[in-house]
Amino acid sequence: SSELTQDPAVSVALGQTVRITCQGDSLRNYYASWYQQKPGQAPVLVIYGKNNRPSGIPDRFSGSSSGNTASLTITGAQAEDEADYYCNSRDSSGNHPFGGGTKLTVL
Amino acid sequence: QLHLQESGPGLVKPSETLSLTCTVSGGSVSSSNYYWGWIRQPPGKGLEWIGSIYYSGNTYYNPSLKSRVTISVDTSKNQFSLKLSSVTAADTAVYYCARGLYFEWYVDYWGQGTLVTVSS
Repeated sequence: SSELTQDPAVSVALGQTVRITCQGDSLRNYYASWYQQKPGQAPVLVIYGKNNRPSGIPDRFSGSSSGNTASLTITGAQAEDEADYYCNSRDSSGNHPFGGGTKLTVL
Repeated sequence: QLHLQESGPGLVKPSETLSLTCTVSGGSVSSSNYYWGWIRQPPGKGLEWIGSIYYSGNTYYNPSLKSRVTISVDTSKNQFSLKLSSVTAADTAVYYCARGLYFEWYVDYWGQGTLVTVSS
């Protein structure tokens, strides 16, 4: 299956740690990439590969993977991290499905 | 710095063909290091991968859209294009063009997105 599954919503207290997960068979063979999207804006890459951050992404963002599950962790969440987060990966057919997205609320 | 810009009609009638073009500046659509894709997002909903094209000309389409989608590249204009036929209201969305890294399989650049509404 090329589907990627995410929890629809997650909340975290300001300054605390939150993990957003993504499950799918393709993740056994390919790394997930993670995108942050704020209202009215295009998505922004925050994590790619094993655990890489593009220039300008704070080091409180990190990624990990185990089996068919990839995770995005925000250590010390800030108010500006409130956004929708999407995982994405390649599948065996050459397509790049997205997860359904997780809405992160920072309390 | 790479820049991607979508262009095309913002309003398409039901049953007609949606056509969008992505103009690439600051990089080449002919590079073997990248693939070029289209992604859409219906209002209030999540991201959906439409399809992608590689420097070799190979294309890959979302199975749910495959029968209606064509993605092509025009190297002389440094552009790539999307055609989606037989559109319905369900195809109303913000359409993004994007660049992905070959073998790394992630999108590093996105266009700003363009809203296409399907309505009579």
